[in-house]
Amino acid sequence: DAKTTQPPSMDCAEGRAANLPCNHSTISGNEYVYWYRQIHSQGPQYIIHGLKNNETNEMASLIITEDRKSSTLILPHATLRDTAVYYCIVRVPFSGNTPLVFGKGTRLSVIA
Amino acid sequence: NAGVMQNPRHLVRRRGQEARLRCSPMKGHSHVYWYRQLPEEGLKFMVYLQKENIIDESGMPKERFSAEFPKEGPSILRIQQVVRGDSAAYFCASSRGGLGNTEAFFGQGTRLTVV
Repeated sequence: DAKTTQPPSMDCAEGRAANLPCNHSTISGNEYVYWYRQIHSQGPQYIIHGLKNNETNEMASLIITEDRKSSTLILPHATLRDTAVYYCIVRVPFSGNTPLVFGKGTRLSVIA
Repeated sequence: NAGVMQNPRHLVRRRGQEARLRCSPMKGHSHVYWYRQLPEEGLKFMVYLQKENIIDESGMPKERFSAEFPKEGPSILRIQQVVRGDSAAYFCASSRGGLGNTEAFFGQGTRLTVV
């Protein structure tokens, strides 16, 4: 699986959009971008994943650049409960039996 | 549809005792993954199991740790002769197919404290 680079921490004002970047310059053509988050002391939570088209669900939007070397997770209206560590992971969806590998992620602090 | 259930949520063991952590995957999920998170550190993969089979145990310590996922019942992570360094949060995840095919869902973890 390709490696990812994320800023170690970010702040965001409550009610504003939180934009979390991820670089994955070595991503392969068949690798997807996955995002998970871990709110303090809880189990990781799946957020969204995508290949090359932008994706949106009830939690967030995922914007992937045309060359697929980077992506941005967008939380449109951040709340205090969105304070968490956010992990960007790239992997092949049909790679069979390999586990998710978590890096250090970005610690997002939403500030009132 | 209940999520991934882990129990107990908190477990205290004295040094030298055994710890047994249970994980019931989501309904319809036959793949289970165990992760360990030491205080102030990231999630580290330990072992991946399907029903009755260990698929990948590359993250498991060589001694004292074992895992199983029987045909019936929950997956069990067993730690024998616990030491203080085993104190951590242990998370279980499940998926419908191998992680390549779909997202994984995590339980709330078991926090093991060795005194």
